[in-house]
Amino acid sequence: GQQVMQIPQYQHVQEGEDFTTYCNSSTTLSNIQWYKQRPGGHPVFLIQLVKSGEVKKQKRLTFQFGEAKKNSSLHITATQTTDVGTYFCAFQGGSEKLVFGKGMKLTVNP
Amino acid sequence: NAGVTQTPKFQVLKTGQSMTLQCAQDMNHEYMSWYRQDPGMGLRLIHYSVGAGITDQGEVPNGYNVSRSTTEDFPLRLLSAAPSQTSVYFCASSYTGRLHYEQYFGPGTRLTVT
Repeated sequence: GQQVMQIPQYQHVQEGEDFTTYCNSSTTLSNIQWYKQRPGGHPVFLIQLVKSGEVKKQKRLTFQFGEAKKNSSLHITATQTTDVGTYFCAFQGGSEKLVFGKGMKLTVNP
Repeated sequence: NAGVTQTPKFQVLKTGQSMTLQCAQDMNHEYMSWYRQDPGMGLRLIHYSVGAGITDQGEVPNGYNVSRSTTEDFPLRLLSAAPSQTSVYFCASSYTGRLHYEQYFGPGTRLTVT
């Protein structure tokens, strides 16, 4: 079935650094959602992107949907320790089910 | 609103035992789903439902049953527990439309099968 690949799977950054994580698909996506899961917690919705080339910002987080709607990126500026967690992308995988990627685990060195 | 609730929070089963994981939501969401989370595997969809009386299989349905008799409740049944079913289980719900809406997740059930 349809799948997305999240890269990298793990990311360790120094506090204050910027970084970008990606979600890539071999097929065109109708939409993409991003979620954050803090250690020991449950996934929490961050954003949904629908339009080709769409860019949305939430404070230090910038989300982008590719022009071909086959990839998406999450860029975090000036990483803080509060950004620690696992970030998932998810997409509508045929019929009505929502399918998640394997996630990108972020750790931050203070 | 309580949101999405799951019980129990923790459970230990012996191989071969059966049990039901409970999930309820009070937001009148049509869509409900069950995921399991294992290290390095992300969230894998077990079963989902788009409304009362309607269920369908996800990516990893074997060994699990579901039913949706009401809008509010979506229990997950393990018929004969196996050690491979040791995992954290999340229930989620949302409105439905042409595209998915924001998913609300429950706090999870941590299941160990010995």
